[in-house]
Amino acid sequence: EDQVTQSPEALRLQEGESSSLNCSYTVSGLRGLFWYRQDPGKGPEFLFTLYSAGEEKEKERLKATLTKKESFLHITAPKPEDSATYLCAVQASDPGGTSYGKLTFGQGTILTVHP
Amino acid sequence: DGGITQSPKYLFRKEGQNVTLSCEQNLNHDAMYWYRQDPGQGLRLIYYSQIVNDFQKGDIAEGYSVSREKKESFPLTVTSAQKNPTAFYLCASSMFSGSSEAFFGQGTRLTVV
Repeated sequence: EDQVTQSPEALRLQEGESSSLNCSYTVSGLRGLFWYRQDPGKGPEFLFTLYSAGEEKEKERLKATLTKKESFLHITAPKPEDSATYLCAVQASDPGGTSYGKLTFGQGTILTVHP
Repeated sequence: DGGITQSPKYLFRKEGQNVTLSCEQNLNHDAMYWYRQDPGQGLRLIYYSQIVNDFQKGDIAEGYSVSREKKESFPLTVTSAQKNPTAFYLCASSMFSGSSEAFFGQGTRLTVV
């Protein structure tokens, strides 16, 4: 069974204080790892897809990296508007070759950035 | 603008009542999904559909039903058999099953009164 564990559950930062969020996963074969941002009462917003170990992607103050067992979301010099819940999800490759796109999500990290 | 529209945003259900949540997309996506989100938990898959007139159960399908009569629409019915329906429900779509990005609607918050 695919599993995703995110840590920490909650993270409080001062504006400008860089840090990282962790996503550990176990999956039979990784098709892709996804990061989403979710604001309270809203649907998740897609951020990144990572496909293979060593891959990195960046968007503004966010940078996602991937190893064979975990992914990190690095936040550089965060601002209060970066406050949100960050969700990690994995998509397993389907041995039958017809993956239906199921995403297995972690429980999320609640990030709060204080001015 | 292309996107996924869920309605209503808030929904209240009485004990023993069936309710239907709407999900419409104009992205021309083949695959559509329903997830449930509870506080402190990740999203859990209820049902998914790869093409019109076809759908499969996800991890927590008991007490729910769906239909996919049109490519654009994937309504979810929460039946009286669902004993703990209070949750945040999210609909998503992707270009085809197994594709990378899934795009989400804004959610429906269902409360039992």
